[in-house]
Amino acid sequence: AQSVTQLDSHVSVSEGTPVLLRCNYSSSYSPSLFWYVQHPNKGLQLLLKYTSAATLVKGINGFEAEFKKSETSFHLTKPSAHMSDAAEYFCVVTLVAAAGNKLTFGGGTRVLVKP
Amino acid sequence: NAGVMQNPRHLVRRRGQEARLRCSPMKGHSHVYWYRQLPEEGLKFMVYLQKENIIDESGMPKERFSAEFPKEGPSILRIQQVVRGDSAAYFCASSPGANEQYFGPGTRLTVT
Repeated sequence: AQSVTQLDSHVSVSEGTPVLLRCNYSSSYSPSLFWYVQHPNKGLQLLLKYTSAATLVKGINGFEAEFKKSETSFHLTKPSAHMSDAAEYFCVVTLVAAAGNKLTFGGGTRVLVKP
Repeated sequence: NAGVMQNPRHLVRRRGQEARLRCSPMKGHSHVYWYRQLPEEGLKFMVYLQKENIIDESGMPKERFSAEFPKEGPSILRIQQVVRGDSAAYFCASSPGANEQYFGPGTRLTVT
């Protein structure tokens, strides 16, 4: 079984300041982990993915995430928030070798960026 | 290469009617997944299909919901006799078989 917990349902930051979105996962096997972003009334866009290669993963739009097996965490960060980063972010886990690779989503973190 | 396409984008149905949601995967993708997003929640897996086969339907409600992915044409998610609790955003994703799934823009179903 696998599960994902996003520790903050809402995060508010000022433009130009760092963003930290926290994610913890539970998985019986070696997981693949993703972060997706969803802008209002839009579909999901993949920000980055971890698939057992480098533990520090760089994604699009200046985002990166670090896989820490000892802490079962995959937190998402960005050094300097931009107004366009206001959206909902989902941490996602799947099994590397599972047939079908169905994704398990966290509850989401809504990011508000203040000018 | 066009992305995953879903239609309609918005669908309004009265209680008791049927809803049909369509998903055209990306070219070359033979794996399709359906997810449901209830208001203020994350996405929940519903069903995984390959061409002409349902592989995993462990997330599908036992009644009123069905899905297909025919040899030709889009994948269809069908909800019979809709109820207010079916109001949600339904997302389709496609994959060439590897880890990564590409999502469509979703269909927002409103049941009145």
